[in-house]
Amino acid sequence: DQQVKQNSPSLSVQEGRISILNCDYTNSMFDYFLWYKKYPAEGPTFLISISSIKDKNEDGRFTVFLNKSAKHLSLHIVPSQPGDSAVYFCAAIQGGGADGLTFGKGTHLIIQP
Amino acid sequence: DAGVIQSPRHEVTEMGQEVTLRCKPISGHNSLFWYRQTMMRGLELLIYFNNNVPIDDSGMPEDRFSAKMPNASFSTLKIQPSEPRDSAVYFCASSSQGHGNSPLHFGNGTRLTVT
Repeated sequence: DQQVKQNSPSLSVQEGRISILNCDYTNSMFDYFLWYKKYPAEGPTFLISISSIKDKNEDGRFTVFLNKSAKHLSLHIVPSQPGDSAVYFCAAIQGGGADGLTFGKGTHLIIQP
Repeated sequence: DAGVIQSPRHEVTEMGQEVTLRCKPISGHNSLFWYRQTMMRGLELLIYFNNNVPIDDSGMPEDRFSAKMPNASFSTLKIQPSEPRDSAVYFCASSSQGHGNSPLHFGNGTRLTVT
């Protein structure tokens, strides 16, 4: 039973356009959400996060939106750049404590020139 | 800051052999996590430690898997005996004060192939 779902295994976007990656979750106890980016042969690296008390968090070209009622979050990248081509993982945690993150299966973003 | 260091990067072994994966967390981090990545299941948490103490090992798939953290700078994940279905990329990650507002820092992983 996947508690964090990324339903698009891959996404292709033209350079300069907006990339929108989606994530749904089922556990209403999750109160903190994170996005990680992963290049081949490397470990995931932290990108951006959002607390459940907010509905938007922005960091440069990256913005995460949270819709708690829909149990849905999205990552917007604008403008998309070739270096953004990677696998993006959505992750969630509950309680703000030391528990492990629950990850989605990832979305492979391909930025086309 | 050297980051989380995992060894080996690649491991190829025959079914039935013992496999030991190693991890050195970032100095000063008090939480350490072992994850496994497969195509079918994505990134799964296997076990995590706080201050060298195992907190939750419910993700460990079978008794063939065991993990230790003898001190704050070293952890091992052992599979004995290994099976072909254990083939995956195993990641170690560390953080300070658990997760909360402190993101996980991942190593580059160990790609395990069991033939």
